[in-house]
Amino acid sequence: AQRVTQPEKLLSVFKGAPVELKCNYSYSGSPELFWYVQYSRQRLQLLLRHISRESIKGFTADLNKGETSFHLKKPFAQEEDSAMYYCALSGKAAGNKLTFGGGTRVLVKP
Amino acid sequence: SAVISQKPSRDICQRGTSLTIQCQVDSQVTMMFWYRQQPGQSLTLIATANQGSEATYESGFVIDKFPISRPNLTFSTLTVSNMSPEDSSIYLCSADFSGNTIYFGEGSWLTVV
Repeated sequence: AQRVTQPEKLLSVFKGAPVELKCNYSYSGSPELFWYVQYSRQRLQLLLRHISRESIKGFTADLNKGETSFHLKKPFAQEEDSAMYYCALSGKAAGNKLTFGGGTRVLVKP
Repeated sequence: SAVISQKPSRDICQRGTSLTIQCQVDSQVTMMFWYRQQPGQSLTLIATANQGSEATYESGFVIDKFPISRPNLTFSTLTVSNMSPEDSSIYLCSADFSGNTIYFGEGSWLTVV
């Protein structure tokens, strides 16, 4: 069965500090990994996907198949980064359904 | 990005009643999904709705409680039947667009009293 684990429920950092959100997964096959973000009173938005290998809003995430991880990083956090972040996994073996982690709330303090 | 519209956005319902949530997508998609997000929790998949076939339900969810329709490639409905306070949740519609990228609607906030 596929599973996504986000060990931290809350991350509190100061503005300008680095932030790293951890995500580990289990999946039989080739996974596709995503990070979604939910700002206060807004819909869930796709932040980035591993196959795009892009940087969005200064965030990057690298898929490490050896460690089965897909951690999200930003070198300098901004106050507007305060939000709920969800790591999610899908793949052909699972019918392309998304499985979500429990979420990490990021609070960036001024 | 794609546009996914849900309605109602919010409702307060009496226990024992049923509510149908509508989801409209701005382009044709094969796969649509319905999720539930209970207070303080992550998202849990209820079912996958493909046009032209019966919805596929995840463990713990049944058609009698959450009947789903998918009449065409841009529309789906989810009904929450015989509601109880435990059904108070956000219900989210999502769609799988080309490239295996899934986008979400704004969600329907349901409170059962």
